[in-house]
Amino acid sequence: GAGVSQSPSNKVTEKGKDVELRCDPISGHTALYWYRQSLGQGLEFLIYFQGNSAPDKSGLPSDRFSAERTGGSVSTLTIQRTQQEDSAVYLCASSLVASGGRTDTQYFGPGTRLTVL
Amino acid sequence: AQSVAQPEDQVNVAEGNPLTVKCTYSVSGNPYLFWYVQYPNRGLQFLLKYITGDNLVKGSYGFEAEFNKSQTSFHLKKPSALVSDSALYFCAVRFYNQGGKLIFGQGTELSVKP
Repeated sequence: GAGVSQSPSNKVTEKGKDVELRCDPISGHTALYWYRQSLGQGLEFLIYFQGNSAPDKSGLPSDRFSAERTGGSVSTLTIQRTQQEDSAVYLCASSLVASGGRTDTQYFGPGTRLTVL
Repeated sequence: AQSVAQPEDQVNVAEGNPLTVKCTYSVSGNPYLFWYVQYPNRGLQFLLKYITGDNLVKGSYGFEAEFNKSQTSFHLKKPSALVSDSALYFCAVRFYNQGGKLIFGQGTELSVKP
C-alpha cells in the first residue's frame, strides 16, 4: 500500500518568509509525527498528533513553528519568519496508534529538504 | 535525563564479515527500542523493535538485535554483511510514559567494502 508522502520534496526560501510543509500519512494511521534532521542536531522530535487528543508540542523549538492536522489525516507544518538555522530535512511519520506496543511502529516519509537563504 | 547513544560515528566492515552497530540507552523505566536505516536522500526505514519478551529480535534484511537490560544496550547485528547494507543506522527509544515520540541516537555510518 501507499506509504507516507510529503510535499514538497525540496523547498528553498528566503530568510523571513513563511513556509508550509505537508504530510499525508498512511491510510488508517491515527498517530502522526514530525521530526527534524539536521547536521548539528541530529534527529529531533517536533510534535505528534494522536487521534483527537491534544497534540504533544514539546519538541517545537520556538513559537514560529506550528502544526495542524485536519480531519485526522493530512498534516501541515508551518514555519513563520524562517531563519537560516531552520534549514534541515523535515520528516513526517505515522503509526496505527501512538503507544500501543505492537502497533506503534512509526513509518517515515521521504522528507522535505528546507533551505533558508 | 533519558537518552540513547550510539558510541561509534562510523563502522567499517568487509563484505561477508559479521557486523555490529552499538546502541546504549539511559532510562528510568521500561523502554521500547527501535532500529531504523537511512539510505542517501531517503527517509528512515524500520528494521526491527524490542517491546518485551525474547531478548533477541529478528528484523528485516537479515538484521537482528539483542536487548540487554543489565548493560542497557540494544546492539544491531548481522552475521554476514553486504555492500548494500552500507547506510546510516539510527537507534531510537520510546519510553512507555512519554507517549509516542522517539528519541534518536546520533546515527552510525556503516560502510561495507567488497
